[in-house]
Amino acid sequence: AQKITQTQPGMFVQEKEAVTLDCTYDTSDPSYGLFWYKQPSSGEMIFLIYQGSYDQQNATEGRYSLNFQKARKSANLVISASQLGDSAMYFCAMSADSNYQLIWGAGTKLIIKP
Amino acid sequence: EAGVVQSPRYKIIEKKQPVAFWCNPISGHNTLYWYRQNLGQGPELLIRYENEEAVDDSQLPKDRFSAERLKGVDSTLKIQPAELGDSAVYLCASSLVRGGNNSPLHFGNGTRLTVT
Repeated sequence: AQKITQTQPGMFVQEKEAVTLDCTYDTSDPSYGLFWYKQPSSGEMIFLIYQGSYDQQNATEGRYSLNFQKARKSANLVISASQLGDSAMYFCAMSADSNYQLIWGAGTKLIIKP
Repeated sequence: EAGVVQSPRYKIIEKKQPVAFWCNPISGHNTLYWYRQNLGQGPELLIRYENEEAVDDSQLPKDRFSAERLKGVDSTLKIQPAELGDSAVYLCASSLVRGGNNSPLHFGNGTRLTVT
């Protein structure tokens, strides 16, 4: 069965520090994709970054990078130089070729302290 | 490009009343999704459309929920009658092709439903 695990229900981080949000996954599919989404308190779900299982390089998008460790089945999101506006829920999700449906983690609530 | 548009933003109804949500996906996105998100949880898929065809509605409570996407563009999700447990945020999303490995979903702002 496919599964996404986010073990950190909540995190407090000082502004300007880097933060790592953990995500581990489980799938037997050789081809899959991993996504991170941000959900501020206003409710919209914002796509941040994508990593394909065959991608050789770790994905990066501005201040976001994905630390993809395939053997360990982890896909941690790294936010560099955190800002107050980064305070939100962060969800890790996975999609495999055998099943289009996105499997979601439970989310991590990130609070950036000034 | 314009994002996914949903309305209304908020809705408060009494139980047993009907309610409808509307979604207009990003132009050119063939795949449309309706999700329900309960507080503190990840989204749960209700139904997925490829153009006007509902290709996965296995999670849709069909006794009270219905959805349509008549012309393969905008979509409506209806609940009749609503129950207290239906209180949640209803999210609509769209993707260029079948959502998957390199086709991220783009979400609307959601409709926050409160059933009293």
